[in-house]
Amino acid sequence: EVQLLESGGGLVQRGGSLRLSCAASGFTFSDYALGWVRLAPGKGLEWVSVTSGSGGSSYYTDSVKGRFTISRDNFKNMLYLQMNSLRAEDTAVYFCAKITVVRGAIIGYFEYWGQGTLVTVSS
Amino acid sequence: QSMLTQPPSVSAAPGQKVSIFCSGSSSNIGNNIVSWYQYLPGTAPRLLIYDNNERPSGIPDRFAGSKSGTSATLGITGLQTGDEAHYYCGAWDSSLSVWVFGGGTKLTVL
Repeated sequence: EVQLLESGGGLVQRGGSLRLSCAASGFTFSDYALGWVRLAPGKGLEWVSVTSGSGGSSYYTDSVKGRFTISRDNFKNMLYLQMNSLRAEDTAVYFCAKITVVRGAIIGYFEYWGQGTLVTVSS
Repeated sequence: QSMLTQPPSVSAAPGQKVSIFCSGSSSNIGNNIVSWYQYLPGTAPRLLIYDNNERPSGIPDRFAGSKSGTSATLGITGLQTGDEAHYYCGAWDSSLSVWVFGGGTKLTVL
């Protein structure tokens, strides 16, 4: 059974930093791309970042480029999101997701999701 | 503003059918596969449809997806109160190299 468990969320001041973690199990970790998706209060799902199975390629949505860094440890089966220079608009529940890649697309679809961790940025 | 357009809300009575539409462009829906997700607050989002019209194991055949040109549709038949949730479409955008979600549709089963 695939399991994804996020942690590391919390309350942080504007301009501060936070590191989210996602512990994965139930699949061959290094074979799959992984990503982060967030859900801000009153808004819809927003893709944040994706990293390839090896960790050698990463992509970000424009609003977090230069501030967030996605990484993974294929020995520990862990995915991370380092978030710096946090803004009020980064307040959201952050979901970790296992991604299936299809021909022609970095992200084919999000096959499994965790339950999320809440990040609140105070101004 | 989302690059994929969905109606904010739809509603129908138990046992009835509802369709949720998702409109995009040639760079996303037109040239890539569409997936659909169900989200109930406080839970993990769930993949309902992938590759335009395929259901993962465990998803009942009451849920069906289709795609035509730059639009996609999620149909739900035999509505149940447990289907009340937010539904999102999504696709890769090849021109911008980003993933795009629709704005989400809240389904109310009256």
